[in-house]
Amino acid sequence: SQTIHQWPATLVQPVGSPLSLECTVEGTSNPNLYWYRQAAGRGLQLLFYSVGIGQISSEVPQNLSASRPQDRQFILSSKKLLLSDSGFYLCAWSVGTANQPQHFGDGTRLSIL
Amino acid sequence: GQSLEQPSEVTAVEGAIVQINCTYQTSGFYGLSWYQQHDGGAPTFLSYNALDGLEETGRFSSFLSRSDSYGYLLLQELQMKDSASYFCAVQHDYKLSFGAGTTVTVRA
Repeated sequence: SQTIHQWPATLVQPVGSPLSLECTVEGTSNPNLYWYRQAAGRGLQLLFYSVGIGQISSEVPQNLSASRPQDRQFILSSKKLLLSDSGFYLCAWSVGTANQPQHFGDGTRLSIL
Repeated sequence: GQSLEQPSEVTAVEGAIVQINCTYQTSGFYGLSWYQQHDGGAPTFLSYNALDGLEETGRFSSFLSRSDSYGYLLLQELQMKDSASYFCAVQHDYKLSFGAGTTVTVRA
């Protein structure tokens, strides 16, 4: 069966520091991968998605970037965090054909001080 | 763009039935998904409707009418553990766009 791992679970970072969140998927090949952010009490906002290695689509211009160095690895990064980057970051995967249900990792709760 | 509307809150007693409606506007619609999210947790996939009609999975059922751009999630035999937020999400291209969520509170 497929599993998705996301770490760390919580993270506290100072303003201006860099960020790297990692997500890996097991048990499937060539998945579609996604990064979402959820503000407190709100819905999920799609940040990036990838349909293959090195292929990244950005949905919202912002202070973040994403990379997919391996088939089942998706990384969310920032060079300098802003206060507004605080939130709950979720990685998700779906079968690598169009329009299949997405399944989420446990998320990273990021607080910027 | 995409927009989805669902009620913000629903309260019901144990054993009751709750229906959460979702209306949407989108281009390139492929299907409607439902997710459950408990406080502090990640969303859990519940159901996906690509075609019109009712899909039943245990106590939960989901319905879609593509011509009406409308769907609903039906929660039957409510239990305390069903207290959570429920999100509808439109599948379009390779992406999901989420509604703002419905908070369901189950009372004893």
